[in-house]
Amino acid sequence: AQKITQTQPGMFVQEKEAVTLDCTYDTSDPSYGLFWYKQPSSGEMIFLIYQGSYDQQNATEGRYSLNFQKARKSANLVISASQLGDSAMYFCAMREGAVIGNEKLTFGTGTRLTIIP
Amino acid sequence: DTGVSQNPRHKITKRGQNVTFRCDPISEHNRLYWYRQTLGQGPEFLTYFQNEAQLEKSRLLSDRFSAERPKGSFSTLEIQRTEQGDSAMYLCASSLGQGSFTNEKLFFGSGTQLSVL
Repeated sequence: AQKITQTQPGMFVQEKEAVTLDCTYDTSDPSYGLFWYKQPSSGEMIFLIYQGSYDQQNATEGRYSLNFQKARKSANLVISASQLGDSAMYFCAMREGAVIGNEKLTFGTGTRLTIIP
Repeated sequence: DTGVSQNPRHKITKRGQNVTFRCDPISEHNRLYWYRQTLGQGPEFLTYFQNEAQLEKSRLLSDRFSAERPKGSFSTLEIQRTEQGDSAMYLCASSLGQGSFTNEKLFFGSGTQLSVL
């Protein structure tokens, strides 16, 4: 079963507007971490933001915030005031618990974000 | 901190040849991961090292693939008798390796793009 689902293959957003990238996840483990990574055309995966399953507050990192709705199993990334440099692939990822065998980060299929000047 | 370095950036080879990729992690990082990414997909976990010990291998890692991390520093990923289906981006990542896995951030290299003709 797909553990991370990103339903938006591509999005086009006007510069300076806010954008929300969707991510839903599936796990029965009560302890898990959710990550968002950005992959520009250079190929390197760049860490953006992290949310732990027990965190009470939504995570924020500068212009990035994570809209964490635990009951819905969703972890949407919100980028405020988008910039041309935000154009890239965005991946949602999850790591379950701290049990040996769960060390791997599982990624979704990604959303290609294009910022229009 | 020079980041995670991967060499070569691109590799073109003929079917049946052997190839080897190198990854130099961030110097103080104990954990090292290999991922594979095909077009339009998110990265898929291949294998993981804690220092020099290879602790987990994905079913994606057939017996034609071998990874090493001698002395717990750089790592190599070798593919023997390459097939066209091996064409992909091979990403290396490292992490500090202290404490819980759940919230541990991975730092990725820019990857090695393999094309098997």
